[in-house]
Amino acid sequence: GNSVTQMEGPVTLSEEAFLTINCTYTATGYPSLFWYVQYPGEGLQLLLKATKADDKGSNKGFEATYRKETTSFHLEKGSVQVSDSAVYFCALILQAAGNKLTFGGGTRVLVKP
Amino acid sequence: DTEVTQTPKHLVMGMTNKKSLKCEQHMGHRAMYWYKQKAKKPPELMFVYSYEKLSINESVPSRFSPECPNSSLLNLHLHALQPEDSALYLCASSQQVSNQPQHFGDGTRLSIL
Repeated sequence: GNSVTQMEGPVTLSEEAFLTINCTYTATGYPSLFWYVQYPGEGLQLLLKATKADDKGSNKGFEATYRKETTSFHLEKGSVQVSDSAVYFCALILQAAGNKLTFGGGTRVLVKP
Repeated sequence: DTEVTQTPKHLVMGMTNKKSLKCEQHMGHRAMYWYKQKAKKPPELMFVYSYEKLSINESVPSRFSPECPNSSLLNLHLHALQPEDSALYLCASSQQVSNQPQHFGDGTRLSIL
């Protein structure tokens, strides 16, 4: 079946540090890929997306590139802020699987001042 | 600000009570979803409505009863819930059931006494 694997957290960083969250997927086909962010006490917000190989999604200083050869969609940010503390979910949608959203386990990020 | 509005934000109910969760979106989306999220876990799909018709029920117990009165509204009727049903219930919508991103509300935090 289809699945998404993320690095386990928590990831603890200092402000202005570089953030990378690894995400790899298994899918029988060519999924669309997403990163969602969940701030404490809130729902999920779409952070960025990519729908085909080599697409780069970007938003709020975050970037991720759809790498078909490594089946990866790693999230990066060059300089994190305390306000980036949240849980980040990598996810995929595959038409052949009924267009259901498949999530990774989530990675908690804590940015300290 | 989220474009998917859920009410109430918090709900405490006994196991014999009947209550309803409500979700509203005004983005013209024709697909709406209910998810259940336990602490430190990703959301789990419960139901999918496409053009106001139930298209997916992920083997959810009958004590959860969804309803889609029109294209903007989605309800989840609750009856005779169990303590293990305590969770964050998230509503989401998308243009259609497709590879388009889903937009989430902030959820209803449900506690069963």
